[in-house]
Formats: sequence, structure tokens, C-alpha cells
Amino acid sequence: EVQLVESGGGLVQPGGSLRLSCVSSGFSFPNSWMIWVRQAPGKGLEWVANINKDGSEEYYVDSVKGRFTISRDNAENSLFLQMNSLRADDTAVYYCAKGRGAEIWGQGTMVTVSS
Amino acid sequence: QTVVTQEPSLTVSPGGTVTLTCASSTGAVTSGYYPNWFQQKPGQAPRALIYSTSNRHSWTPARFSGSLLGDKAALTLSGVQPDDEADYYCLLYNRNTWVFGEGTKLTVL
Repeated sequence: EVQLVESGGGLVQPGGSLRLSCVSSGFSFPNSWMIWVRQAPGKGLEWVANINKDGSEEYYVDSVKGRFTISRDNAENSLFLQMNSLRADDTAVYYCAKGRGAEIWGQGTMVTVSS
Repeated sequence: QTVVTQEPSLTVSPGGTVTLTCASSTGAVTSGYYPNWFQQKPGQAPRALIYSTSNRHSWTPARFSGSLLGDKAALTLSGVQPDDEADYYCLLYNRNTWVFGEGTKLTVL
């Protein structure tokens, strides 16, 4: 069974940092582009970042450039999102998804940025 | 920044047909935007329905179909069922980035 499990969310103060993880199983992770998508409470989906198969290409939405870094460990079938300089408007459920077209999704992890 | 526009809400009767559309502020949506469609029900993660304009995933019911309609991408639901009540999002590719539409809330009534 194809599965993605996110972790690492929580409550953090403005200006703080958080590292999200996404562990995959049931498919060839090293052969898959991966993406992060977020959804603020009561709002729509927002594509955040994606990374190619070997981690040599990364792309970001403008609002997180310079603050967030997507990375992967193919040996551990894991995807990461390092989030620095967090702001209140980063508060959201963060999903990882398989493929550039996001065909498989995890259940998400909640990130709350508040003092 | 690209803005992708969808109908905020639509209502359809059970058994009916409804078409949701997806427009881009950059111009006509073509197959080169690789339109994707997703369904999200309350409290759940999104589920992929359609990729690259018109291709169903293995789990997508045949009553869901994707196409290009004029200068937009479109998702048509035929023989709508009560379980199809959900939010629907399109996703467009543009120059190594992706943009989601604002979403359509579909009510089956």
C-alpha cells in the first residue's frame, strides 16, 4: 500500500523554526518527484515547494523563498521541509504528496505560528 | 503571480451533470499546463482525480472526466451522486511551479 506519513508539526512562535518530515512506503521513493502543499484553516490549497528525484532541483512559491528549504533522503525514503522565520500566515496543515501532479497525499501535519 | 480561478460554488441535483472550470490569469489554459483535479471532503486530505487534462487515476470513477473547454480546463461530473459533495481544486503547471485554483464547493441537492 502506498503511504505517506507526515510529522513534525506543532506550535511555534513567530520567527521560530520547524522541520517537517514525510516518510514514504509502498512505492519507489527515489524515482518520484515530491511536493509540499499547505492549507490554512478554512482556506484552499497552496502549492509550497517541490523537489526532483535526486534532490538537485528545488522550486518554491514566492511567499516562502529564502525561508523554507525542501530536501530528501532517498536512502531513508524521506522528504523534509525546513521552515525558518515562521510567520502567522504560515499557519496551516502541511501535506506531502507524491509526484509533480500530487497523485498520492499524506494525512497532513498541523503547524501553528502564534505567540 | 499567477491566479487560477474556479467557480466559488455550484449546486447540482443527484443524477445530474455539472461542469467545473479552471482559468488562468496568464491566458488560455492548454495541455501544457498539465491540468490536475482534486477532490477534498471535510476533515480529509485531498484525493487526486484527473491528471494531465483528461487522464483518470486508477481509483477515479468513470463519471469524472477532464477536458479543455474554450480557454479553460474543465472537470465534468456525470450521474452525480450525493457522495460527490465536496470541494474541488484544479492545479496548473507554469514554469517549474504549480498553482492551485481557489476551489469550487459542490453541493448535491
